[in-house]
Order: sequence, then structure tokens, then C-alpha cells
Amino acid sequence: GQQLNQSPQSMFIQEGEDVSMNCTSSSIFNTWLWYKQDPGEGPVLLIALYKAGELTSNGRLTAQFGITRKDSFLNISASIPSDVGIYFCAGQMGAGGTSYGKLTFGQGTILTVHP
Amino acid sequence: GAGVSQSPRYKVAKRGQDVALRCDPISGHVSLFWYQQALGQGPEFLTYFQNEAQLDKSGLPSDRFFAERPEGSVSTLKIQRTQQEDSAVYLCASSLIWVGPRGTGELFFGEGSRLTVL
Repeated sequence: GQQLNQSPQSMFIQEGEDVSMNCTSSSIFNTWLWYKQDPGEGPVLLIALYKAGELTSNGRLTAQFGITRKDSFLNISASIPSDVGIYFCAGQMGAGGTSYGKLTFGQGTILTVHP
Repeated sequence: GAGVSQSPRYKVAKRGQDVALRCDPISGHVSLFWYQQALGQGPEFLTYFQNEAQLDKSGLPSDRFFAERPEGSVSTLKIQRTQQEDSAVYLCASSLIWVGPRGTGELFFGEGSRLTVL
């Protein structure tokens, strides 16, 4: 099935460094989401973006919805060991009252943080 | 519990066996979703329920896959005559229904059921 193109596939960083990952698609999405998944757990929503060009922050996390609606990025500032995990972008094509949680996910970025 | 509960957490099946995976959504959540996550990949949409109505089953990979939610709460994903390619984590998610311009409400995922077909 279709998946978004997410990069990088993996990152190895030192504690305190900033991290950036992005997601691109050949299709337009009306909603972009970023999730984190820990081993043996389900994905947990980090940030949701609903409008092209929107820049949203959640603590040390910042995400942007690309102007073309075909891309998004996630930045993590001042990484800490508990940031370790797999980060997924997800897009939703629908909008408004007809939309629901039919999401298309990226392949994930595996983040390792060395103390 | 307060979250989405899935059982069993782990299932090993011999090729050709039928399996049933259960999902207990968060109380009061009318929307329920099943996703399939292969090793090293992101989740892929399988099917969606609003209450007991299955409104979208476009992601089910074959007619061996069947999902139901007869009373609008607990859901079961059944896989008949399992094949090795069915090995994956099956994630269930639920959300409150919403209307309006903001699009997707938050999906709350369960821990998943890991199926291994030998």
C-alpha cells in the first residue's frame, strides 16, 4: 500500500543535539500528524497540523505543514534519552465532517540518543 | 482500563489456521480502526467502524480478512487460513466522533497483537 517517504530512516545523536526529520508525498494531504512509537507499544500522537503553512510546537517538538500540502517536518530540540523511539509521519486526505482516521503512514525514523 | 485494550498480545499460528484478534476501545469512542504494521514499516489502514457500521474496509488485503463490531463496542479481526505474509502487528485504534473543519480527531492506539504465522 501507499506510504509516505520519510527520512532519514535512522539517526544516532548525542544527548542535547537537535534532530530534524521530514516526510514527503506525491499526493496532497489536508492533515499531517506526527506519532512516536516505543517498542511493544502503539503509536502516540505528538503533533497534529491542519493548515498548509502551519507551524506548531509542543514543548521541545516543532512541526510544520508544508505549503504544497505534500510535505511536513518535525524538529526535536535539545534531545534527551527518553526521546529514543520510532517517529512516524502520517497524512490524511479527507477534511471536515467527512473525514475520519484513515491515515497513510511513513516508514518511520528510528532515533537513538547517546547519553 | 482507560486505554485501548487488545488481546492476545502475541499469537503464533500454523499456516492455514484461523485466528481472531480482539479490541476493546476506550469507553464512549464510537470510531474504531484496525491497522496492520509489518516489521520495520509504518501502520497500514485495514478497516473502519462507526459504531457497529463498517464504513470502510478498503484496506483489507484479501477476503480471508474479516472484521466485525456487532454491538458498536468490542471489535474482532478474524483472519482465515493464515499465510506467512499475514505475520505482523495488528493495531486497533479508537477515537471520539467529531464534525467540523479540523479534520482528524486523535486516534488512541492499543499496544497491538503480534501475529506470527509459521
